[in-house]
Amino acid sequence: GQNIDQPTEMTATEGAIVQINCTYQTSGFNGLFWYQQHAGEAPTFLSYNVLDGLEEKGRFSSFLSRSKGYSYLLLKELQMKDSASYLCAVTGGDYKLSFGAGTTVTVRA
Amino acid sequence: IAGITQAPTSQILAAGRRMTLRCTQDMRHNAMYWYRQDLGLGLRLIHYSNTAGTTGKGEVPDGYSVSRANTDDFPLTLASAVPSQTSVYFCASSDSGGRADEQFFGPGTRLTVL
Repeated sequence: GQNIDQPTEMTATEGAIVQINCTYQTSGFNGLFWYQQHAGEAPTFLSYNVLDGLEEKGRFSSFLSRSKGYSYLLLKELQMKDSASYLCAVTGGDYKLSFGAGTTVTVRA
Repeated sequence: IAGITQAPTSQILAAGRRMTLRCTQDMRHNAMYWYRQDLGLGLRLIHYSNTAGTTGKGEVPDGYSVSRANTDDFPLTLASAVPSQTSVYFCASSDSGGRADEQFFGPGTRLTVL
């Protein structure tokens, strides 16, 4: 089975940096995704990591350590529109996604 | 281009009734998925289809059935709805079910079973 853990909630100030951690234990591993989901909307793709290291995409970066079963999503220069849930999802050996429960980030002025 | 659409947007259903949630994509993706999202549990896979004509069971398939008669459509049927099936249902698609492709999600259907 799959076990994916991430914090339930985080709060940060506009302009600040927030790091959302995700740890996982899975049967097989074919990559890790981060999705963003605004309240009442569909999840949308943010990033994908399959090799160890940091992937940077504008204000968002994602890191993966396969040996530690660990990833983080880094959100820089936070904006009010970044208030959303951030979903960590692991692709297992069967290429199916298993999702964590999500981290709700609240950005305050 | 609509991407992926779902219908209805929301529905209130009496327990014991049959209900079909519709999902259509126009991206010619081979793989399609149905998830349910419940507070504190995240998205859980109900059923999937790697290609037209084939389906498979996900993590929580009981009480649900699917069919994949063509590439575009992937309906989800609740044969006899129960209150525990109250949830938000998301349909998704990806180019392939046999590799780690980005999944595109529909807007969701909010279902309440009373």
